[in-house]
Amino acid sequence: DQQVKQNSPSLSVQEGRISILNCDYTNSMFDYFLWYKKYPAEGPTFLISISSIKDKNEDGRFTVFLNKSAKHLSLHIVPSQPGDSAVYFCAAKGNTGKLIFGQGTTLQVKP
Amino acid sequence: DAGITQSPRHKVTETGTPVTLRCHQTENHRYMYWYRQDPGHGLRLIHYSYGVKDTDKGEVSDGYSVSRSKTEDFLLTLESATSSQTSVYFCAISESGLNSPLHFGNGTRLTVT
Repeated sequence: DQQVKQNSPSLSVQEGRISILNCDYTNSMFDYFLWYKKYPAEGPTFLISISSIKDKNEDGRFTVFLNKSAKHLSLHIVPSQPGDSAVYFCAAKGNTGKLIFGQGTTLQVKP
Repeated sequence: DAGITQSPRHKVTETGTPVTLRCHQTENHRYMYWYRQDPGHGLRLIHYSYGVKDTDKGEVSDGYSVSRSKTEDFLLTLESATSSQTSVYFCAISESGLNSPLHFGNGTRLTVT
């Protein structure tokens, strides 16, 4: 059973607009959440994280929101740039210490 | 890049043959992980290590074994490769098992024919 789900396989956004990537999870024991970005032929790179004691974390153009009651997190990219085109994975960690990943969402930012 | 080297980067092998993938790190991090990436599944944990000679299973460990005889090296072995093990394999490291991000290598693309 998929504990971390990214239900949108792809997203297309115009340059300069906001990109919103969504992620849902089922395990209420998850207490740390991360987003990774992956370019073709490269490994995933860490983007931003959030602890379950917070509901928002911001780093430059990237903001992660956590809604614990809905078991939902989202990544906002503002403004979107063509270089942001990549696959984005959300991930969650609980008391086992193991990082569980979603299926990924491919973001295309059009110039 | 966080000082992680995976070898080989590409490999084609036949069903039933043994295969070993290597991950080498220069960061002296305690934790090392092997993931596989498949379409529709994202990244799934195969095995991980929390120290020299200390390893544990992940979500999809069947058909795989690992060894860690030195801090810097983590080996993933497919004892008898099957077509279902065709995938891209990523090694990752982290400084601690708590809330520290994983840093990934660039992957090994394995094809089992």
